[in-house]
Order: sequence, then structure tokens, then C-alpha cells
Amino acid sequence: AQTVTQSQPEMSVQEAETVTLSCTYDTSESDYYLFWYKQPPSRQMILVIRQEAYKQQNATENRFSVNFQKAAKSFSLKISDSQLGDAAMYFCAYSGYNNDMRFGAGTRLTVKP
Amino acid sequence: DTGVSQDPRHKITKRGQNVTFRCDPISEHNRLYWYRQTLGQGPEFLTYFQNEAQLEKSRLLSDRFSAERPKGSFSTLEIQRTEQGDSAMYLCASTLDGLGGFSYTFGSGTRLTVV
Repeated sequence: AQTVTQSQPEMSVQEAETVTLSCTYDTSESDYYLFWYKQPPSRQMILVIRQEAYKQQNATENRFSVNFQKAAKSFSLKISDSQLGDAAMYFCAYSGYNNDMRFGAGTRLTVKP
Repeated sequence: DTGVSQDPRHKITKRGQNVTFRCDPISEHNRLYWYRQTLGQGPEFLTYFQNEAQLEKSRLLSDRFSAERPKGSFSTLEIQRTEQGDSAMYLCASTLDGLGGFSYTFGSGTRLTVV
């Protein structure tokens, strides 16, 4: 079974600075997708960024980018120019061929003004 | 379409009572998922439907839990004889069927408290 591990329960960053959230996963599949979701306090989960495993190029969405290392099964999220609104729980997720998504335990990001 | 809707938002029940939650997915999405999320943890997969067929159930889903999706539209999740350990956020998500890679759209969840 696929597993997703987020080793950082909490992270903090100063406003306007850059922070990197870590994620590793385990799978025997060759084709799969990886995601980062954001869950603000008491609000619903929203997609931040998505990466196809067959693509070597790292995905980027405005201030959010990933460092995808397929051989190492690592998928980290970099948030540049952090804003107060970035404060949330961030979940790394894996989706395989059958599109069943599995999540890590999450990293709580605090942004300090 | 206003996204994935879940009802109720909050539910407080006494131990031993039955509860039922409803999820209305995005209309064109044929896959519907139920997850359970406890405080400070990531969502744990419970079950999913493709159209009206329930294709997979987690071992977390004891025989007290049952889910339905009649006619492939909305879905209900029922918990019978609730226990305090059932207290959690129950999340519903929907997506398009495919060969993987479609992101999920989540509802706001139903927070269950068993007292």
C-alpha cells in the first residue's frame, strides 16, 4: 500500500520569507500523481499544486513550487514570499492509477508578521 | 454548481445513537469519496463510489458504518450505535473518473461529536 509521510508536524516562517515543507512517499507504481492541499482553520481543503510523476519538470503555481525527486520518492513544497494567508495545515497526497488519494499527517504552517 | 456540499456542518449526538450525513458532489463528477479526519491528522480513506457502485471500503469502516449513493448522485454515510471514538470530521470529496491525476474537490465536512 502507498504511504505518505510528512515529517514536520509544525513549521513557521516570517512574512515575505521562503519556507519548504517536506514529504516522502512509498509506492511500487511507476505512474502516479502527487498533490499538496491546503486546509485553513475551519475551512475546506483546497488544491495548491499538482505534479505528474512522468514529468521531470517541477510544477509551479505562482508563489508555490515543488521539488520532485522521483528516485528518492520525495516531494517538497516551497512557498516563496510567504503571506499571512498562507497559514494553514498543508497535506501532501498521493494518487495512483485508480485515483484513490492517500494523505500524509500534515504540517501546520504558521506565518509570523 | 456551488461545489461539494455536506450536511449537517456539525452534529452532536449521544453515544449509542445513529447518525446520518449527506454529501452532494459536483454534478458531473462520477466518483465520490468519504474520508475521516481527526484533529491534527490527515484525512483517512473510508470508502468510495463510482456512480452508484461502492468499489472499495477501508478496514477502518466497521460494520457500524454504511454508505450509499443511490442513482449515482448524492451519498449518505450512516454510523450506527455511535462511540466516542467516532468523533471526527467526516469529509466528502468528488472527482472525475479517469486514469488518475484528477484532483479532488472537497466539501467543508461534517464535524461529529459523540458525548
